[in-house]
Amino acid sequence: GAVVSQHPSRVICKSGTSVKIECRSLDFQATTMFWYRQFPKKSLMLMATSNEGSKATYEQGVEKDKFLINHASLTLSTLTVTSAHPEDSSFYICSASLTSDTQYFGPGTRLTVL
Amino acid sequence: KNQVEQSPQSLIILEGKNCTLQCNYTVSPFSNLRWYKQDTGRGPVSLTIMTFSENTKSNGRYTATLDADTKQSSLHITASQLSDSASYICVVKGNTPLVFGKGTRLSVIA
Repeated sequence: GAVVSQHPSRVICKSGTSVKIECRSLDFQATTMFWYRQFPKKSLMLMATSNEGSKATYEQGVEKDKFLINHASLTLSTLTVTSAHPEDSSFYICSASLTSDTQYFGPGTRLTVL
Repeated sequence: KNQVEQSPQSLIILEGKNCTLQCNYTVSPFSNLRWYKQDTGRGPVSLTIMTFSENTKSNGRYTATLDADTKQSSLHITASQLSDSASYICVVKGNTPLVFGKGTRLSVIA
């Protein structure tokens, strides 16, 4: 089946630093990737939709200058949390779309900002 | 407004017992409905997917049902195991981004 990986699986950083999270589709080409954020005991919240070679589409309330998304190839999308603060601590999950009806989720990245 | 409501919020059952999780949705138009299992600290893993014309679908000990008329779905887990402890999320696709339920937190105890 389709496999999506994320790296790193967890990261701890100091407040004010930037953190990059990678999302890769390992055995298929994904024209669309999605970035989600999940707080403890809450459901996934879509942050942005990323299409290869074009600018990401951000959901309402998500700061595009804070959460930089790059989708440079059909198998790689990156999310950079810039000038991270403790309130950015969360579980970030990406998914990759194989068809319009299917999304495969990555294992998630736990970000802790001290 | 497109919404997905799940019940119960949490559930504790003894190992070996069966349980049923509920999902009601108002997403329209409807494309498909998926049940995901999410272990703590992990990404969601798809259990079943059903389209409008499908009433039931099984995946091992997991059986999902769908009533597109009443916009209800259920996930039945048979002979639960300790490893079934996780959050189960109902996700509905229409013609907009996926609509996620808040999940049911299942704890299976010995």
